[in-house]
Amino acid sequence: NAGVTQTPKFQVLKTGQSMTLQCAQDMNHNSMYWYRQDPGMGLRLIYYSASEGTTDKGEVPNGYNVSRLNKREFSLRLESAAPSQTSVYFCASSEARTRYGYTFGSGTRLTVV
Amino acid sequence: DQQVKQNSPSLSVQEGRISILNCDYTNSMFDYFLWYKKYPAEGPTFLISISSIKDKNEDGRFTVFLNKSAKHLSLHIVPSQPGDSAVYFCAAATQGGSEKLVFGKGTKLTVNP
Repeated sequence: NAGVTQTPKFQVLKTGQSMTLQCAQDMNHNSMYWYRQDPGMGLRLIYYSASEGTTDKGEVPNGYNVSRLNKREFSLRLESAAPSQTSVYFCASSEARTRYGYTFGSGTRLTVV
Repeated sequence: DQQVKQNSPSLSVQEGRISILNCDYTNSMFDYFLWYKKYPAEGPTFLISISSIKDKNEDGRFTVFLNKSAKHLSLHIVPSQPGDSAVYFCAAATQGGSEKLVFGKGTKLTVNP
């Protein structure tokens, strides 16, 4: 059981380049999330999707776009990467209306130079 | 405004002793609280949770206490083991609707042999 799979695990971008972070879950969860983790800042929500076909902004959405491609997949796109987007990105999923918490992926470490 | 606060960035304890990690929240609508554990280069993993209708929940060496009047919760680890060394995140959610969790900034626990 893979859980939540994120690709790639590491990425270095030049300022202005674009890329898409991929996330897929095999637990049939309705809700999916993208977080970023920065030193001293904890986990901050970028975007989330409560169900297939819906997406909403979180705490720090600027500079990002998302696509809920289907129930399994939720991608995060950086259209024009900036050094401030250097971070570790985590995708998570959860089952709606239950309280067992999120299942997180192992993260993507992104460096923008 | 930070709704979930973990005021201690780090904590160091001796193996076999008790570790107490604290978390405060400001939103009185939060009714469910969770603790996550994160090792380096891994995603956070769910550890233990508590509903606002309870004031204590135990799971093996881990106990979470909730003081609603003080808007405070704590995680007790007894006895602490070197393998418990990790970053611990407190998270909170509100009843109904979105499954979004609000995370604290985390506390890095080091258990010394």
